[in-house]
Amino acid sequence: KAGVTQTPRYLIKTRGQQVTLSCSPISGHRSVSWYQQTPGQGLQFLFEYFSETQRNKGNFPGRFSGRQFSNSRSEMNVSTLELGDSALYLCASSLETRAYEQYFGPGTRLTVT
Amino acid sequence: AQSVSQHNHHVILSEAASLELGCNYSYGGTVNLFWYVQYPGQHLQLLLKYFSGDPLVKGIKGFEAEFIKSKFSFNLRKPSVQWSDTAEYFCAVNALTGGGNKLTFGTGTQLKVEL
Repeated sequence: KAGVTQTPRYLIKTRGQQVTLSCSPISGHRSVSWYQQTPGQGLQFLFEYFSETQRNKGNFPGRFSGRQFSNSRSEMNVSTLELGDSALYLCASSLETRAYEQYFGPGTRLTVT
Repeated sequence: AQSVSQHNHHVILSEAASLELGCNYSYGGTVNLFWYVQYPGQHLQLLLKYFSGDPLVKGIKGFEAEFIKSKFSFNLRKPSVQWSDTAEYFCAVNALTGGGNKLTFGTGTQLKVEL
């Protein structure tokens, strides 16, 4: 079974631009979560989507948004990029079981200049 | 809001030494607990999980962890480490308030195993 895939793997953007990242979950997984990983803040939860609805949300500004499609694929958008948005953005998917174990993709490395 | 503390940021061990990485969380309700590992150049992988039942859980590659509810702890152990265990280890908690996933991660422990 294929793992979680994320595209693109690397991205360079300029301050003020916007960016869209894509995530394809493991087949059969309907929950998709997004995390930001930086050296200073570590791994921080952005949001989770399940059945095309945002189910949980972290403490990030409204510039960070996402959506999920009927095939469970998800996209994350960051508008008006700031230098501090440079990070590794990770996507994770899971089945709806009591364990809620998540499987992570390789991430998209975003650099804002 | 829940938080996760990992006590050791950097650990250096010799091969065959025993490993114990501490993890404490702050949340009084029901939680699912995880340890993830990130090998150099690779993505996060699930090492082991606890969600109910036997508080001693076994994971991949000989790792195990013990959930002690009274101490809010979920420490990771391995009796004999190998050079290939060099990686960063993350403890994570999912507080099951409204269902779904919302992992809170610790800051990570960088483990280096020397030959």
